[in-house]
Amino acid sequence: EAQVTQNPRYLITVTGKKLTVTCSQNMNHEYMSWYRQDPGLGLRQIYYSMNVEVTDKGDVPEGYKVSRKEKRNFPLILESPSPNQTSLYFCASSFRGLSEQYFGPGTRLTVT
Amino acid sequence: AQTVTQSQPEMSVQEAETVTLSCTYDTSESNYYLFWYKQPPSRQMILVIRQEAYKQQNATENRFSVNFQKAAKSFSLKISDSQLGDTAMYFCAFIFNTGANSKLTFGKGITLSVRP
Repeated sequence: EAQVTQNPRYLITVTGKKLTVTCSQNMNHEYMSWYRQDPGLGLRQIYYSMNVEVTDKGDVPEGYKVSRKEKRNFPLILESPSPNQTSLYFCASSFRGLSEQYFGPGTRLTVT
Repeated sequence: AQTVTQSQPEMSVQEAETVTLSCTYDTSESNYYLFWYKQPPSRQMILVIRQEAYKQQNATENRFSVNFQKAAKSFSLKISDSQLGDTAMYFCAFIFNTGANSKLTFGKGITLSVRP
C-alpha cells in the first residue's frame, strides 16, 4: 500500500529533551516536506527536501532540523524542544513540483 | 506573496443537501495547482480534489466539484448529497513551482458539520 508513515503518533516530552519524529514514504517520491498545524493558522511549512541531501527552510524553521540521507526517509529533529513547539506535525511527499502531496497520519507533540 | 483566504470558519448542512465552501487566493503566478483537502476527526489530511490553473474545465470527483474562476481568483468546493462522513475541516491549498520549493500554501480551514 502506498503511504507515508510517521512515528511516533503521539509524544509528550519536557523542555530541552531532544527528540526525533520519523517520516518514511514508499512511493519513490523526490519531494518531501514537514508542516505544523496550529489552531487558526492552518498548516505552515517547516522544512522541505527536493531530493537526497537537498534540504531547505520553509516558513517556520526555527528550532527544527532535518536530514535526507535516503530518498524514502525525512526525519524531523527538535534539538531542544520548547512549549511553543507543541503542535500537530505532518510529513508529506510528492513526485515533484506541481503535483499533489500525500500526507502522513500526523504526530501530536506536547512539550511541557 | 501567495495567500489563500477561507473567510467562513464554520458551516452546517443537512444530510443529502448541497453545500458550497468558498476560497479565494492571491498570486501573480500563471502556472499553479489548487487543492481541497479534508481533515476528519482522525486528523488525517485527505486530498479531495485538485484543479490545474491552465485547465478551464472545472474538476469533478464523484459528489465533489469545484467552481474555478481564474480571473476572480476564486476556487469554491461544492459537495452534493452531503453525507455524515463529510463532517470534517476542509482546507483550500495552493501550490506553484518555483523550480525549487513546492510549498503548499493553506487557508485557515472551514469546519463543516453535516446534520442527520
